[in-house]
Amino acid sequence: DSGVTQTPKHLITATGQRVTLRCSPRSGDLSVYWYQQSLDQGLQFLIQYYNGEERAKGNILERFSAQQFPDLHSELNLSSLELGDSALYFCASSVFGQETQYFGPGTRLLVL
Amino acid sequence: GQNIDQPTEMTATEGAIVQINCTYQTSGFNGLFWYQQHAGEAPTFLSYNVLDGLEEKGRFSSFLSRSKGYSYLLLKELQMKDSASYLCAVRDNAGNMLTFGGGTRLMVKP
Repeated sequence: DSGVTQTPKHLITATGQRVTLRCSPRSGDLSVYWYQQSLDQGLQFLIQYYNGEERAKGNILERFSAQQFPDLHSELNLSSLELGDSALYFCASSVFGQETQYFGPGTRLLVL
Repeated sequence: GQNIDQPTEMTATEGAIVQINCTYQTSGFNGLFWYQQHAGEAPTFLSYNVLDGLEEKGRFSSFLSRSKGYSYLLLKELQMKDSASYLCAVRDNAGNMLTFGGGTRLMVKP
């Protein structure tokens, strides 16, 4: 158990819908990272937040957005969902930003 | 950008030693990580190299050569539970983003 928690564990929704994935980092960690893992693309970095501020951005679609709240939990919002958005979404955290990232259990999203 | 290559699949025998290679071409480098991932589960941190050489951690060792853009993960005394995917990841210069290779699926046979 890494200490990173994610909810929900599974999510099934329809195309065109919007969902919110939630992540709580390990106690004391200020940085949160979001990754997408699909069968054909491997693990892809989406976005990083550090202490409430966006720090780095990867190949995140415009339909996706994230934020980190004062209590340091983070939410990833996915809108206008498409079939291709079906994937495992992982959150990771680290103390500041230069250390090892520890991953949560993931949210499995299925878009039908 | 970053380009990271590792073999797709490997098979080894219980009790044996296996070496999983990773080569990378990057515009910036600030460390290389190895993670283990069982199917459908979270990646679990195994090792980290930022300087050239070998890092040993129990049955697992990782080696890095920055001039060659090359790393390997060595697993000794293989156990059935080592059957998993092994992900090589490079951290960028800013120290934020991890770029992952496609992963190597290791099957350990009795």
